[in-house]
Amino acid sequence: GAGVSQTPSNKVTEKGKYVELRCDPISGHTALYWYRQSLGQGPEFLIYFQGTGAADDSGLPNDRFFAVRPEGSVSTLKIQRTERGDSAVYLCASSLGLADADTQYFGPGTRLTVL
Amino acid sequence: AQSVTQLDSHVSVSEGTPVLLRCNYSSSYSPSLFWYVQHPNKGLQLLLKYTSAATLVKGINGFEAEFKKSETSFHLTKPSAHMSDAAEYFCVVRLHGGSQGNLIFGKGTKLSVKP
Repeated sequence: GAGVSQTPSNKVTEKGKYVELRCDPISGHTALYWYRQSLGQGPEFLIYFQGTGAADDSGLPNDRFFAVRPEGSVSTLKIQRTERGDSAVYLCASSLGLADADTQYFGPGTRLTVL
Repeated sequence: AQSVTQLDSHVSVSEGTPVLLRCNYSSSYSPSLFWYVQHPNKGLQLLLKYTSAATLVKGINGFEAEFKKSETSFHLTKPSAHMSDAAEYFCVVRLHGGSQGNLIFGKGTKLSVKP
């Protein structure tokens, strides 16, 4: 596709469940970023990848959050034992490379609701 | 620590009047600065960016911003507001040292445009 895509667009789950959120970056983009936007706030950085490796995961709030990018393209953000406080819009972005991090293209986001 | 402060959570203007959205930043390094816009139920869109070239930066849809190092400010302006400008605006900084990839967002300013 032409832009960054994220699936699902909406996810409703129950507290304690496991969820996976998927991001398809723009073709050829080697850098991929995850952000979380809580209601009424600006997006907050979670993790970013250069290729298959996590270059910086310092924004992950705790060890219930994990992200992978096994082939250097699609990435999955995994949340274990979800809590109501995890409810937010999860945004993915990509750029040509880390050197092009000034030009990040954002996807539409996945709205996660934990009941 | 690096951060951005958006001085107004909500700005309301009449159509055809000037827009001013204020942003101050703090950074130990020479930063890149951005303004992003987020329309309801739409993805984040880059309006403009400053990356140490000209201090007056022109963006899309008639917006511009001026980098003032002495004031650590990067205010967003537009001479004449249009109804379609109603949206949430985020001032954003990216570091050029340490963690290089991630963007740091302000809390956002909601712009309302009255007919």
